Amino acid sequence: DTAVSQTPKYLVTQMGNDKSIKCEQNLGHDTMYWYKQDSKKFLKIMFSYNNKELIINETVPNRFSPKSPDKAHLNLHINSLELGDSAVYFCASRDLLLGYTFGSGTRLTVV
Amino acid sequence: GESVGLHLPTLSVQEGDNSIINCAYSNSASDYFIWYKQESGKGPQFIIDIRSNMDKRQGQRVTVLLNKTVKHLSLQIAATQPGDSAVYFCAENIKAAGNKLTFGGGTRVLVKP
Repeated sequence: DTAVSQTPKYLVTQMGNDKSIKCEQNLGHDTMYWYKQDSKKFLKIMFSYNNKELIINETVPNRFSPKSPDKAHLNLHINSLELGDSAVYFCASRDLLLGYTFGSGTRLTVV
Repeated sequence: GESVGLHLPTLSVQEGDNSIINCAYSNSASDYFIWYKQESGKGPQFIIDIRSNMDKRQGQRVTVLLNKTVKHLSLQIAATQPGDSAVYFCAENIKAAGNKLTFGGGTRVLVKP
């Protein structure tokens, strides 16, 4: 069973559209994250939720809105997509003892 | 400001040789540091971590060294294998910032047969 699963794996969409990426973890972790990896492989934190509560909200345009319906899910909704939003988005969850587990990423391409 | 500094250089290493990847960090508040391996098309995969109160930790074929005086972290891979080819990232965790994990820029390791 996949520990942290993201859907879709690939997403190609036009500028101006609204899209969502979903993440689920079956590890029982309390904390989940969204990271963005740009074309130069740089990974930057976007959001963190702990048991459905927003903990970290980095300088991210408010077109990005995370939603955590329960502690096993953290979805990312993006409004009015722009070319610069093209990147790979990684979901992760964290355990106090075992550290972070990352999903396999969602490659978003805005055309 | 907060940063874990590592631009994306490439390290070419002969199969069987040892590899050393270096990383500089700037935040003294970091409570632990982690090395990740990322293969093409996959997410970062945990390799080894080290608490800020330690200076060395060993795993299977990997050793992490932490020098808090100069804010330097390194990952040593012994007897590098073709399967070690990947991009490696160091990351620092800051508990006081809500367990914020900040990544360095990554190093690409290419293992030559």
